Order: sequence, then C-alpha cells, then structure tokens
Amino acid sequence: KNEVEQSPQNLTAQEGEFITINCSYSVGISALHWLQQHPGGGIVSLFMLSSGKKKHGRLIATINIQEKHSSLHITASHPRDSAVYICAVPSGGGADGLTFGKGTHLIIQP
Amino acid sequence: EPEVTQTPSHQVTQMGQEVILRCVPISNHLYFYWYRQILGQKVEFLVSFYNNEISEKSEIFDDQFSVERPDGSNFTLKIRSTKLEDSAMYFCASSELGTGTYEQYFGPGTRLTVT
Repeated sequence: KNEVEQSPQNLTAQEGEFITINCSYSVGISALHWLQQHPGGGIVSLFMLSSGKKKHGRLIATINIQEKHSSLHITASHPRDSAVYICAVPSGGGADGLTFGKGTHLIIQP
Repeated sequence: EPEVTQTPSHQVTQMGQEVILRCVPISNHLYFYWYRQILGQKVEFLVSFYNNEISEKSEIFDDQFSVERPDGSNFTLKIRSTKLEDSAMYFCASSELGTGTYEQYFGPGTRLTVT
C-alpha cells in the first residue's frame, strides 16, 4: 500500500512569496494528484501528472518518478491561495482509490 | 461546467440509526468513489464503484456500509447502524475511468454528525 508524506505541514508566508510544497510516496505510481481544500471543506483537483511538469496560471507541479517525489509551486502568492494543499496517489496495484497525504496548511498574509 | 453534487450538506443522526448519503456524479463518468475525512485528519478512501458493482474497497468499508446506484444518476452510501466514530465529512467523487490515473472530481461533501 502506498504511503504519502508531505512537507511542510504548515506554512505561513507573505504575499508575493514563492511557495514550494513537497510530496514523497513509497510505491511506484502511474499518476499523482494535487488537490486543494478550502476552509469550507470542498476539494478541488488542481493537477494530475505522470511525468515532468504542468502549469496552470501561477501554479506549477513537477514530478520525479524515479525519486518518487513531487513538488507544487505557487508563484507570486496571494492571500486567496490560503488553503490546504493535498497530494494523493493511487493506493497501489492498479487500485482505483487514492491514498492522501495529510496536507499542507498554507496561509498567505497580506 | 459539470459538477458532482451531494445531498444533504449536513446530516445529524442518532447512534444506531441508518443514514443514506446521496451523490449525483458527472454524467459521462464511469467510476464513482466515496471518501471520508474525520475532523482534523486526512481524507481516506472508502470504496470505488464501476459497472454497477464495487471495484475496490478499503478496510474501513465494513458490513455496515453499502453503496448503490439506484437509477441512472444517483450514487448512494448507506451506513446501516451509525456509530459515534462515523462522524465525518463524506465526499463523493467521479472520474471518466479508474486505476487512479484519471482526474477525480469531488462533490462538496456531506457533514455527518452522529450523536
């Protein structure tokens, strides 16, 4: 079964700073998901990637399959980016369900 | 844009009662999921459903849980006899296909409180 570790658990930064959140997993995967959870509880899918790099606006996600590691970067951070960012991977063995990390609680101060 | 919907948004029930949580997945999606998140903890997988049967379930999904697609649009999670520890946010999700390699779209969640 896949294990997912995220770091840092909590991150407070000033508006405009470049943010990096890291995720590592234990079992080889075919895809990794980055999700965002807002204070109200809703979960939104940000990225699904299986290799290299993806970019949506100010968000960039990278993955290194050999090292079992992914990073999520936020450029020019803004208070509206404040949320919990969660990394999730397939549980293993062709499973459909995802194993989630504990999340990184990000606060961007104005 | 298509979205996953869930009802109710909040359900309060007494220990031992049965509850049914409802979800309407995105219409052209074939895989459906239930996840739960106990307050302050990480999201946990419960079950996936494909072609009118369970395709995968976790250790959490024991005999008190069941899922059903009663018609062409709804997907339900039933908890037969609720316990205090079932209090959690329950998320439904759907994806075009499975194996964790397709983007999963989550509903807004149902907060279940068992008293």
